[in-house]
Amino acid sequence: EPEVTQTPSHQVTQMGQEVILRCVPISNHLYFYWYRQILGQKVEFLVSFYNNEISEKSEIFDDQFSVERPDGSNFTLKIRSTKLEDSAMYFCASSESTSGGGEQFFGPGTRLTVL
Amino acid sequence: TQLLEQSPQFLSIQEGENLTVYCNSSSVFSSLQWYRQEPGEGPVLLVTVVTGGEVKKLKRLTFQFGDARKDSSLHITAAQPGDTGLYLCAGGNDGSSNTGKLIFGQGTTLQVKP
Repeated sequence: EPEVTQTPSHQVTQMGQEVILRCVPISNHLYFYWYRQILGQKVEFLVSFYNNEISEKSEIFDDQFSVERPDGSNFTLKIRSTKLEDSAMYFCASSESTSGGGEQFFGPGTRLTVL
Repeated sequence: TQLLEQSPQFLSIQEGENLTVYCNSSSVFSSLQWYRQEPGEGPVLLVTVVTGGEVKKLKRLTFQFGDARKDSSLHITAAQPGDTGLYLCAGGNDGSSNTGKLIFGQGTTLQVKP
């Protein structure tokens, strides 16, 4: 069964460093997303991406964040200068469509720890 | 700002009992998705409901979307220890600006004791 994969599973970094989180969405999906979940809190939307551009981003997704689809399979989230409060689980998701309840399939997540 | 409130936040029951989890909002959603999340893993989609009043069944799990599409419920019959986990509801919106963004509730942690 097709699935979304993410690497690494755990990333530890120093405050101020750049990190790149990687995702391989399901191959025939056209819509891609990043969400994050701070320990003990809700899953929060960060950004949606379609046709090689951002379609919506949340207030969390400031200038320190960027997304890219560098080739036909990978989808990346970059945080340029990490802060302590960026520590969270980051989930990538993908879907075939966004209408009629466009079902999103989530990856296993990357746990980011900023020291 | 659309919000989804889930209740209860924690539920601990004995094997064989029935339970209902609620997901409520003051806003209308085009769709409601229910997920289950295990510790340290990503949410796994259980079901999507899109029509007001819709009822879907998945073995011992029954999902309902409210008539006004502002609320949803998850009912588990004869709960088993394997049902233990975090249950999340998430709302989506159709329309010309539909970007697929999902708004999540805070989750209900279910513990089923043998």
